[in-house]
This record gives sequence, structure tokens and C-alpha cells, in this order.
Amino acid sequence: AQSVAQPEDQVNVAEGNPLTVKCTYSVSGNPYLFWYVQYPNRGLQFLLKYITGDNLVKGSYGFEAEFNKSQTSFHLKKPSALVSDSALYFCAVRDIGRGNDKIIFGKGTRLHILP
Amino acid sequence: GAGVSQSPSNKVTEKGKDVELRCDPISGHTALYWYRQSLGQGLEFLIYFQGNSAPDKSGLPSDRFSAERTGGSVSTLTIQRTQQEDSAVYLCASSLAGQGRETQYFGPGTRLLVL
Repeated sequence: AQSVAQPEDQVNVAEGNPLTVKCTYSVSGNPYLFWYVQYPNRGLQFLLKYITGDNLVKGSYGFEAEFNKSQTSFHLKKPSALVSDSALYFCAVRDIGRGNDKIIFGKGTRLHILP
Repeated sequence: GAGVSQSPSNKVTEKGKDVELRCDPISGHTALYWYRQSLGQGLEFLIYFQGNSAPDKSGLPSDRFSAERTGGSVSTLTIQRTQQEDSAVYLCASSLAGQGRETQYFGPGTRLLVL
């Protein structure tokens, strides 16, 4: 069955430092991969997605993610963290090999940027 | 334009009562998803509607849960004989089509508390 894992419940990063939020997936075919962010008291917002093409995907708010097929990973990165990046981040995957459009979300990683 | 709206924003009910949660997707979006967000559990897929196709109900946790989508637009999630473990935030999302590559747009959620 398709699945997505976010191995860290929480990540703490000092402001100005690079950040990485990890995501690994398991699907039978080629995946569609997504990152969403949930700011405090706000709804989930789309950040970026990988469908096909370049493995490095750039998204909103200076975030980027790299699709690594051999490692089945899609880690979210940002070169210099801001305090305003503190939020709950979700990785999601859709397995196109199954003909099923269901999107599966990870459990989320809470990112704390320390001033 | 208007985003995804959900009502009510908060619902407090007694154990054993039935509740109905409503979702108004973005106009023109043919795909509609329901998720449940519990503390520490991430986003749990419940049900997915795509156009006139039969819905994917594979995520519904029990037969107390049901959902319908009328006229390809508004959706209602019904929970019968509510239990305390049903307490969670119920999120609705819509997307332009249901091929799994489109961005999902989330509503603000309905926070359900079962006493």
C-alpha cells in the first residue's frame, strides 16, 4: 500500500540557518509528491509539488524540495530559516500506478524556528 | 474568488448524537476530499468524490460515518451516534480535477468536540 513517512515529529532550527524537513514515501509506481503547510490557526496551504521533470522543485516562501527516486525521499528545504516559517508541515503522495487519485498525508512535522 | 468554506466552524455535541458537517468547494472544482486531523495523528483520509464517479470511501473509520455530495458541489459528512474518539478537526479540500496532480485547496475545518 502507498504510504508516506515523516520521521521527525519536531524540528528546531535557529533563525538564519538552513532547514530540512524529511519525507520518505512508498508507492508502487511513479509518485506525485506534495508539501503543505499549516500555520497556527490557519488552514492548510499548498507549498510545492513534484509531478515530473526536474528533481528540484521550488515553491512558495523560498522553500524547495528534491525528489530522490533511489532514496524514495522528498525532503523540504530552505537555505535560511525565518521565525515566520514556524508551522506544521505535511508531506503527501499520490500513487499514479494504481489509478487511484487518493492523496495520502504524513503525520506532519512541527517546525520551530528559534530567534 | 471564494475559497473552500466549511460549517459550522465549531461543534460541541453529546455522545450518541448525530452531527452533520458541511463543505462548499471552490466553484468548478470536480474533486472533493474529506480528512480528519486528530492531535498527533496527522491528516487521515476519509472519503473522496470525483465528478459523477462512485466515491472512494476506503478511509471511513466505521459505518457511523457517511458522506454525500449533491449536484457535484456541496458535500455533507454525517457522523451518527457520535463517540468521544470522533473529536477532531474535520477538513474538506477541493481540487480542479481528480487526477492527483492538482493542488488541493483546504477549508478552515470544523472542530468537533464530543462530550
